[in-house]
Amino acid sequence: DTAVSQTPKYLVTQMGNDKSIKCEQNLGHDTMYWYKQDSKKFLKIMFSYNNKELIINETVPNRFSPKSPDKAHLNLHINSLELGDSAVYFCASSQTQGGKTQYFGPGTRLLVL
Amino acid sequence: AQSVTQPDIHITVSEGASLELRCNYSYGATPYLFWYVQSPGQGLQLLLKYFSGDTLVQGIKGFEAEFKRSQSSFNLRKPSVHWSDAAEYFCAVRNQAGTALIFGKGTTLSVSS
Repeated sequence: DTAVSQTPKYLVTQMGNDKSIKCEQNLGHDTMYWYKQDSKKFLKIMFSYNNKELIINETVPNRFSPKSPDKAHLNLHINSLELGDSAVYFCASSQTQGGKTQYFGPGTRLLVL
Repeated sequence: AQSVTQPDIHITVSEGASLELRCNYSYGATPYLFWYVQSPGQGLQLLLKYFSGDTLVQGIKGFEAEFKRSQSSFNLRKPSVHWSDAAEYFCAVRNQAGTALIFGKGTTLSVSS
């Protein structure tokens, strides 16, 4: 049973397209996150949601919009994709907002051509 | 600002040899520290964590790490490396607000036979 799952695993698309990445956790956690891993493998927080409420919104372009339909799901929608959006996007969850341990999904590898 | 430094970008170790990956952090209070491993094309797996108490913590896959406050370090060790340990290793600290992880830039471990 996968604790944190993401779909799709790979996503190849053209510049200017709009795409979504889905994340689901079956751990019963309240808090979910999106991290971006760039081409140099550097990981950085993008968003954090606690019980469907936005907690963190780092300096991410407005083209990125997270949506949490319920506390088990956190989706990431990206408008007008750019070459620089190519990266691996990781979803994670923790038990609570201040939860000490974050559990990561397998990642979604996005390539924008 | 909080930060995590992994001084070694790439390390090569012979199979069966011991391993130490370095991690230094900057944080005012007692940090919550983590080591994650990312195998090629895979997600992030939690190896071990330190919150408080015994400064030597044991993790999965035979890894351990030692928290040294005086040196602001949390180095990862393994007494005997296996070829399957070849991966990217990330040290992370929870941010002061408790809302996200701050990652180091990672250390790539290669294992030679």
